[in-house]
Amino acid sequence: GQQVMQIPQYQHVQEGEDFTTYCNSSTTLSNIQWYKQRPGGHPVFLIQLVKSGEVKKQKRLTFQFGEAKKNSSLHITATQTTDVGTYFCAGRSINQGGKLIFGQGTELSVKP
Amino acid sequence: ETGVTQTPRHLVMGMTNKKSLKCEQHLGHNAMYWYKQSAKKPLELMFVYSLEERVENNSVPSRFSPECPNSSHLFLHLHTLQPEDSALYLCASSQTWTGVTEAFFGQGTRLTVV
Repeated sequence: GQQVMQIPQYQHVQEGEDFTTYCNSSTTLSNIQWYKQRPGGHPVFLIQLVKSGEVKKQKRLTFQFGEAKKNSSLHITATQTTDVGTYFCAGRSINQGGKLIFGQGTELSVKP
Repeated sequence: ETGVTQTPRHLVMGMTNKKSLKCEQHLGHNAMYWYKQSAKKPLELMFVYSLEERVENNSVPSRFSPECPNSSHLFLHLHTLQPEDSALYLCASSQTWTGVTEAFFGQGTRLTVV
């Protein structure tokens, strides 16, 4: 079945450093979504990418969708303590009925 | 507030108990989901309902029984659970269950099986 792999599992950074998490799918995706889950909270939708090679920005966050639509990345520039949480990618396969499959998540901690 | 409400927020139950988790969405969405989130594991999709019909059942043990009486409500009935079933159970909804629609999550029910 479809798998969505996300690395790294954990990332500890000093405040002000950059952070990147990577997402890879075993199958071609119709679209990919990113969610953030704060400690003790629930996943909250951040953004969706649909087009091959698409790049979207939200302030210090940059999201990319690969040309082959099988991988994606989230990059945070100059992390802040408010960025702490787990970032999940979630992809919809073009071959498996469109169900949303989540990656394992990358847990980000930021030291002030 | 995401428009998806789950109750209870916390639940402790014995292995012989029967309990139910409730989810309600006020967003007018057609699809609703149950996810299980265990420590150190990805979100596991359990069930998907679209317009009150189950469209996905990911080999979930029969001790978990979903019910969708209408498009705004979703239940997860629990009976004879095991300690390894302890997890955060998240309900979500989306406009449709396919295509380019985002999922809105409830705050989850933290379940502990003793």
